[in-house]
Amino acid sequence: RKEVEQDPGPFNVPEGATVAFNCTYSNSASQSFFWYRQDCRKEPKLLMSVYSSGNEDGRFTAQLNRASQYISLLIRDSKLSDSATYLCVVNSGEFSGGYNKLIFGAGTRLAVHP
Amino acid sequence: ETGVTQTPRHLVMGMTNKKSLKCEQHLGHNAMYWYKQSAKKPLELMFVYNFKEQTENNSVPSRFSPECPNSSHLFLHLHTLQPEDSALYLCASSRTSGGETQYFGPGTRLLVL
Repeated sequence: RKEVEQDPGPFNVPEGATVAFNCTYSNSASQSFFWYRQDCRKEPKLLMSVYSSGNEDGRFTAQLNRASQYISLLIRDSKLSDSATYLCVVNSGEFSGGYNKLIFGAGTRLAVHP
Repeated sequence: ETGVTQTPRHLVMGMTNKKSLKCEQHLGHNAMYWYKQSAKKPLELMFVYNFKEQTENNSVPSRFSPECPNSSHLFLHLHTLQPEDSALYLCASSRTSGGETQYFGPGTRLLVL
């Protein structure tokens, strides 16, 4: 089983639609969770951290389900500019050599069309 | 945004060349990282430096040689690369190496001929 798994997509949605992505992780010891956004041929950029109680930032809502080991990202009222690849990122939960690494999923591609 | 900068942005090199990638962070962070991103693959962690000390070498071939002279600068020295090393090389930094948010530079797109 992969450490972080995401549906690669693509999700093709019209403007204004609501779309949701899920991501599962394998290590129950993981403590930090993030969604990053990566535009084509650009670097990943932090979209939002994911907190235990769930959190919202404008049109974006992130949820964490520790019991089932998955996190989700909900995007409401999709814009053309939301078209990108969304990376699920989880920390390994273990310190090795003084380092606790982040594990990146392969990403889910979203294409918003007019 | 200029928190993490990388040069060059694009690089074409032959298999016998030697080149270096440079990364600089202006965020006051203590941890820096090199990642490789190949087409349609997840980011692969290559090296981790924490307070200038290398704490992770993720089974990277010796043709990649990192250098971290201080907490703000990170280099990746390249020599005798293979065509399969062609990829986007990303530098990142974080406040500590404890699994918190990492901030990425724009990357160097490398083509090995």
